[in-house]
Amino acid sequence: EIVLTQSPDTLSLSPGERATLSCRASQSVSSSYLAWYQQKPGQAPRLLIYAASIRATGIPDRFSGSGSGTDFTLTISRLEPEDFAVYYCQQYGSSPMYTFGQGTKLEIK
Amino acid sequence: QITLKESGLTLVKPTQTLTLTCTFSGFSFTTSGVGVGWIRQPPGKALEWLALIYWNDDKRYSPSLKSRLTITKDTYQNQVVLTMTNLDPVDTATYYCAHRRAYSYAQLDHWGQGILVTVSS
Repeated sequence: EIVLTQSPDTLSLSPGERATLSCRASQSVSSSYLAWYQQKPGQAPRLLIYAASIRATGIPDRFSGSGSGTDFTLTISRLEPEDFAVYYCQQYGSSPMYTFGQGTKLEIK
Repeated sequence: QITLKESGLTLVKPTQTLTLTCTFSGFSFTTSGVGVGWIRQPPGKALEWLALIYWNDDKRYSPSLKSRLTITKDTYQNQVVLTMTNLDPVDTATYYCAHRRAYSYAQLDHWGQGILVTVSS
């Protein structure tokens, strides 16, 4: 079973700053099957990025994804107030079909 | 426009069976490749995938919960039902259903609002 470890657990930044969130897999993951989600309090997760680097419909271009193999990154170029939330990476594999990371909380400094 | 909504009992006693229904619109199981999955999230914790069913009735389960889960679909009612047996307080969580796009990169691109299920005597 592939384990996804996200870092840091909490990231404190100010609006306008750049955020870099990491997702490391315990074994190699196909880039085609790595996604990122954003979750705000009391809301369902929202798909941001899939196939490691493709933005989902309606996602602003300040969000970008990169990486391959075991190391993947979500970057938010200039933080807007609405970007402060919890972010999860997710991989698709054989068993279990979907695995999520433990999440990174992006909070206002 | 794709929408999904979870429904079911929100308070269940330990050892009982939970039945949740996901009712959706904007897509159909008559479309080849479509899937609907269930994911849960205990309060303050991370997401955990539970099960997924495809248009062709292929079913996949989390290995750790497989013995307790059953997922079924009603193509004509546009519903997916998840049952979980032998509930325990640790199963207290918000349960989400989500749409998996046909022949995609396996992303879950639309989610229901979630339903909070509490397991308590």
